[in-house]
Amino acid sequence: DVKVTQSSRYLVKRTGEKVFLECVQDMDHENMFWYRQDPGLGLRLIYFSYDVKMKEKGDIPEGYSVSREKKERFSLILESASTNQTSMYLCASSPPGISYNEQFFGPGTRLTVL
Amino acid sequence: EDQVTQSPEALRLQEGESSSLNCSYTVSGLRGLFWYRQDPGKGPEFLFTLYSAGEEKEKERLKATLTKKESFLHITAPKPEDSATYLCAVQGFSYDKVIFGPGTSLSVIP
Repeated sequence: DVKVTQSSRYLVKRTGEKVFLECVQDMDHENMFWYRQDPGLGLRLIYFSYDVKMKEKGDIPEGYSVSREKKERFSLILESASTNQTSMYLCASSPPGISYNEQFFGPGTRLTVL
Repeated sequence: EDQVTQSPEALRLQEGESSSLNCSYTVSGLRGLFWYRQDPGKGPEFLFTLYSAGEEKEKERLKATLTKKESFLHITAPKPEDSATYLCAVQGFSYDKVIFGPGTSLSVIP
């Protein structure tokens, strides 16, 4: 059974802390994505990656960075967490090619920044 | 600007009461339109991809259709287990990412 896993389901951090969200996929997919999901706003793309060490900004990259050192792992980093980064964070992966077709999502990490 | 809207925001149906969810999109050249289902506390789960106007896809009680401006997700004789949020997303030829709509929350009452 194909799977995308995220390191934490729930996370509580303090303002100013550096936060790492980890995502691992076991499908040998080239493409990986980080989204945040907020009520009424839908899913918004933060960063995505076509391949190892490749990264592209999405629609809302400010305050975030990413790392992809291995094909199966895509990390989202909040350099200095702020309260407006409280959200549900979803990681996804998809097979190679510009037409993404089906994306496989992880279960999400609900991050609260106090 | 490319965008996706969905209506209604929330829909409450009796079990067996068929209905449709709407996804309206504005995109400069459609590469693909996607439907996902999301259960509470979980990530979205892929349902369908539609590529061109007139195309239809079916899966159990769900049928997705596509025109040049919108897509419909028809739910025939829904059951309580169909309760979820349904997300629509589009990808255009001018960019290489997917834009998601805000979703429709469906509740099916026994």
